[in-house]
Amino acid sequence: QKEVEQNSGPLSVPEGAIASLNCTYSDRVSQSFFWYRQYSGKSPELIMSIYSNGDKEDGRFTAQLNKASQYVSLLIRDSQPSDSATYLCAVTGLPGTDKLIFGTGTRLQVFP
Amino acid sequence: GAVVSQHPSWVICKSGTSVKIECRSLDFQATTMFWYRQFPKQSLMLMATSNEGSKATYEQGVEKDKFLINHASLTLSTLTVTSAHPEDSSFYICSATTGGESNEKLFFGSGTQLSVL
Repeated sequence: QKEVEQNSGPLSVPEGAIASLNCTYSDRVSQSFFWYRQYSGKSPELIMSIYSNGDKEDGRFTAQLNKASQYVSLLIRDSQPSDSATYLCAVTGLPGTDKLIFGTGTRLQVFP
Repeated sequence: GAVVSQHPSWVICKSGTSVKIECRSLDFQATTMFWYRQFPKQSLMLMATSNEGSKATYEQGVEKDKFLINHASLTLSTLTVTSAHPEDSSFYICSATTGGESNEKLFFGSGTQLSVL
């Protein structure tokens, strides 16, 4: 079983809609969870981080974490064509470790 | 925010040659740097963790004699792909951390696209 799993997509949504990206992880000791956005040929950039159960909102982005279900999601409201990219879910293991395990990413396409 | 500079951005080399990739933290001291490899449409795979002044820790399946990592200072880590072959063609990305428990202090370089002919 992969450590971090994501649907590869592509996920296609119209401009202005809500895009919902999902991620599951296998290691119950994972403490920190991150969403990165990666444009083709570029390095990842951090979008959101979440550490405790529940929702965390930042602008148009909302991260949701459910540790019991080992599930983390990212909602993008009012999706824009510029949001079209691959979104990588990443988790860490033991507290204090900087080692990130990445999912394969979900490709999001926002069409006008 | 902190900046991590990675060079070169892309390199094309002949099979059998060695390629060095540099990763520099420009405005902070990075006690730890990470090297990732990403094949097309795949995830970032951690290759090794580089700590200043000590030997790098390699992930399972990564050949330490092929992928030489040197972290000689708090601002510079290098990855040398020795005797590169076409299967080594990939996108290599470094990241550096300022320390602490939060990965929000983790900053990525711009990546190096390696093509081995």
